[in-house]
Amino acid sequence: KAGVTQTPRYLIKTRGQQVTLSCSPISGHRSVSWYQQTPGQGLQFLFEYFSETQRNKGNFPGRFSGRQFSNSRSEMNVSTLELGDSALYLCASSSSTTGIYTEAFFGQGTRLTVV
Amino acid sequence: DQQVKQNSPSLSVQEGRISILNCDYTNSMFDYFLWYKKYPAEGPTFLISISSIKDKNEDGRFTVFLNKSAKHLSLHIVPSQPGDSAVYFCAASARNSGGSNYKLTFGKGTLLTVNP
Repeated sequence: KAGVTQTPRYLIKTRGQQVTLSCSPISGHRSVSWYQQTPGQGLQFLFEYFSETQRNKGNFPGRFSGRQFSNSRSEMNVSTLELGDSALYLCASSSSTTGIYTEAFFGQGTRLTVV
Repeated sequence: DQQVKQNSPSLSVQEGRISILNCDYTNSMFDYFLWYKKYPAEGPTFLISISSIKDKNEDGRFTVFLNKSAKHLSLHIVPSQPGDSAVYFCAASARNSGGSNYKLTFGKGTLLTVNP
């Protein structure tokens, strides 16, 4: 059974650009969450999707957005990139229909560097 | 406002001894707690969890203790092995008004080094 797949693994962007990251959850998992990991702030919740609907959103500016497709694959987009957006972006999938009350499986992440 | 705190950034332990990783939380609505382990360049891997209705959960060498009155939980690893060297994250979850848990709040992690 394939794990959570995130693409690309590494990305370098310039300030002001926009970026789209992709996440394919474990087959059969319908819940996908996104987290940002930085050395100073640790892992912070961005948003969670289930059946193409955003069910919860963290405290990030509107420049951060996401969506989920009918096959449960998810994308997150960051517009007008800032240097502070440099981070490891992690996607997690879960089989739980009531949210992450059971274990969530994480992908390897996308390392975004903004220069 | 950090609701989940891991006050020890690092911990060094001798192989075969006990490792104790600590975590404190401030949100009394948290009712489910998880520990994740993370190696460099990999995503976090789920280790063990505990519901707020319990005070202990054990899985092999890993035991999690929950003290709700103190808003404190700890992860015990016995015996510690060099392969346990990684960053350990404590995470907590609270039910929203709909009765479901949709997000995890993480601590900043503790780097455990187990020396041979």
